[in-house]
Amino acid sequence: QKEVEQNSGPLSVPEGAIASLNCTYSDRGSQSFFWYRQYSGKSPELIMSIYSNGDKEDGRFTAQLNKASQYVSLLIRDSQPSDSATYLCAVNMGTGGFKTIFGAGTRLFVKA
Amino acid sequence: DVKVTQSSRYLVKRTGEKVFLECVQDMDHENMFWYRQDPGLGLRLIYFSYDVKMKEKGDIPEGYSVSREKKERFSLILESASTNQTSMYLCASSFGGANVLTFGAGSRLTVL
Repeated sequence: QKEVEQNSGPLSVPEGAIASLNCTYSDRGSQSFFWYRQYSGKSPELIMSIYSNGDKEDGRFTAQLNKASQYVSLLIRDSQPSDSATYLCAVNMGTGGFKTIFGAGTRLFVKA
Repeated sequence: DVKVTQSSRYLVKRTGEKVFLECVQDMDHENMFWYRQDPGLGLRLIYFSYDVKMKEKGDIPEGYSVSREKKERFSLILESASTNQTSMYLCASSFGGANVLTFGAGSRLTVL
């Protein structure tokens, strides 16, 4: 089992729709969870972090965490063509929580 | 803004050569990381460091070594480059327990 798993996609949604991205992780002791966005040819950049069970909202983005199910998701409301990118789920693992492991990423296309 | 600078954007090396990839950050971050990114595999952690002269193996350390003599600089070394080390290499840094990563622009290495 991979440490962090994501559906590789591609996920295609029409402009204005909700995009839902999912991620599962293997380490029950993980405490910190992140979503990074990576545009083609660019480096990843942080869009959301979440540390507690439940939802965390920031503008059009909502991160959801369920530690019991070892599941974290990202919802993008009112999707825009500029949201088209690869979304990387990342989890801090191991003693001290410094070891950050990424999923393979989900490619999102938002059609105008 | 935190800046993570990777010394070379593009390198072409021959099989068996020794390769140095340099990374410097300017915001006094404790933690530094080296990842490689390959299509379909996402970011895979090679090594990380949470303090000067400290290093920890990531998921794929074989064929690599690292050096962190100063807090701001983290070097990745390929002792004898092989064609399967052709990849995009990304350096990142973070501070404290939150461990939000800031990435450099990447170094694309081709080994012939």
